[in-house]
Amino acid sequence: DVKVTQSSRYLVKRTGEKVFLECVQDMDHENMFWYRQDPGLGLRLIYFSYDVKMKEKGDIPEGYSVSREKKERFSLILESASTNQTSMYLCASSTATTAYYGYTFGSGTRLTVV
Amino acid sequence: AQSVTQLDSQVPVFEEAPVELRCNYSSSVSVYLFWYVQYPNQGLQLLLKYLSGSTLVKGINGFEAEFNKSQTSFHLRKPSVHISDTAEYFCAVTRKTSYDNVIFGPGTSLSVIP
Repeated sequence: DVKVTQSSRYLVKRTGEKVFLECVQDMDHENMFWYRQDPGLGLRLIYFSYDVKMKEKGDIPEGYSVSREKKERFSLILESASTNQTSMYLCASSTATTAYYGYTFGSGTRLTVV
Repeated sequence: AQSVTQLDSQVPVFEEAPVELRCNYSSSVSVYLFWYVQYPNQGLQLLLKYLSGSTLVKGINGFEAEFNKSQTSFHLRKPSVHISDTAEYFCAVTRKTSYDNVIFGPGTSLSVIP
């Protein structure tokens, strides 16, 4: 089975800190995604990547950046954390034929910014 | 562009009763359809998917869904729910083309009452 591993299940950070959320997948998937999930808003796409060193903005990229230096790793960066970035963050990956197979998700990182 | 509507944000149901979670989508082209489940404090898992062929698809844990093209619906059903089915359920859609992202609905919270 494909595994998508997010390095932290829970994180607490202070306002203004630079925060790194790490995601690693072990099945050579081309595509990787970062979502945030908030009550009543469902999943919102932050950034995605179709290949190493490639990145595309999703629906809510403001306040975030990403890095994909290796195929298996996709990092989400909060340059200066703010309280409105308190959320559940979900990483996902898929093969190049995204549509057919759907996504595989990690277990999520619940980030609290105080 | 595609969109997904889940009309019920919360569905309470007694244990061993049947349940239907509704999903409607809009798209001008052919689509693939998915249902994902998210148990508390976990990531999303693929429950089932419709790609083509038979409009009734069966998934894990006794769930099934029926694709209705004329009504642009993909409702999820289970004839008898268990306590362990308490979770958030997301309907999702993507066009039948490569390199196209999956669009998620806002989710339905299923609560099974003992």
